[in-house]
Amino acid sequence: QKEVEQDPGPLSVPEGAIVSLNCTYSNSAFQYFMWYRQYSRKGPELLMYTYSSGNKEDGRFTAQVDKSSKYISLFIRDSQPSDSATYLCAPNSGNTPLVFGKGTRLSVIA
Amino acid sequence: EAQVTQNPRYLITVTGKKLTVTCSQNMNHEYMSWYRQDPGLGLRQIYYSMNVEVTDKGDVPEGYKVSRKEKRNFPLILESPSPNQTSLYFCASSPGPWGETQYFGPGTRLLVL
Repeated sequence: QKEVEQDPGPLSVPEGAIVSLNCTYSNSAFQYFMWYRQYSRKGPELLMYTYSSGNKEDGRFTAQVDKSSKYISLFIRDSQPSDSATYLCAPNSGNTPLVFGKGTRLSVIA
Repeated sequence: EAQVTQNPRYLITVTGKKLTVTCSQNMNHEYMSWYRQDPGLGLRQIYYSMNVEVTDKGDVPEGYKVSRKEKRNFPLILESPSPNQTSLYFCASSPGPWGETQYFGPGTRLLVL
């Protein structure tokens, strides 16, 4: 089993839809959970950062971590065309280099 | 402005011709990394450095070299590039251990003929 698995998509949704992006991981030592957003022809940038289990909300974005099932999610409410990007999950233990999911390409259609 | 810069942004070269991609950060970060990004394979770490003169291999180090002689600079060296090193390369830095935010450069697109 790969350390981090993420459905690559592509995912295409209409403007205003709720988007759910997901990753699974295998390492039970992971306790830092990050989502990076990468626009076309740009470097990734940190979008959401969660420590341990639970939810974290930031505007239209909610990151959710379920450590018991090793499952992490990113929800986008009221999606906008400007949300069109590739989203990469990066769970981490804090002691070893980051391992990124392969990324999910999202397109929000106006 | 706090940033990570890479040069060149685009490069076309031929097999075997040594090249260096420079990376510089102005945030006084301890950690720096090089990644390559390929379709279907995602972002994979090549090398990383936790401080000056301290470097270690990532997941795909074959065919690459790095050095960290100054805190702000972390060049990536391809001694003898091959076509399978055609890729999009990113440099990143972070202030501390791996739980910290990674700040990425704009990327270098390399084509090896």
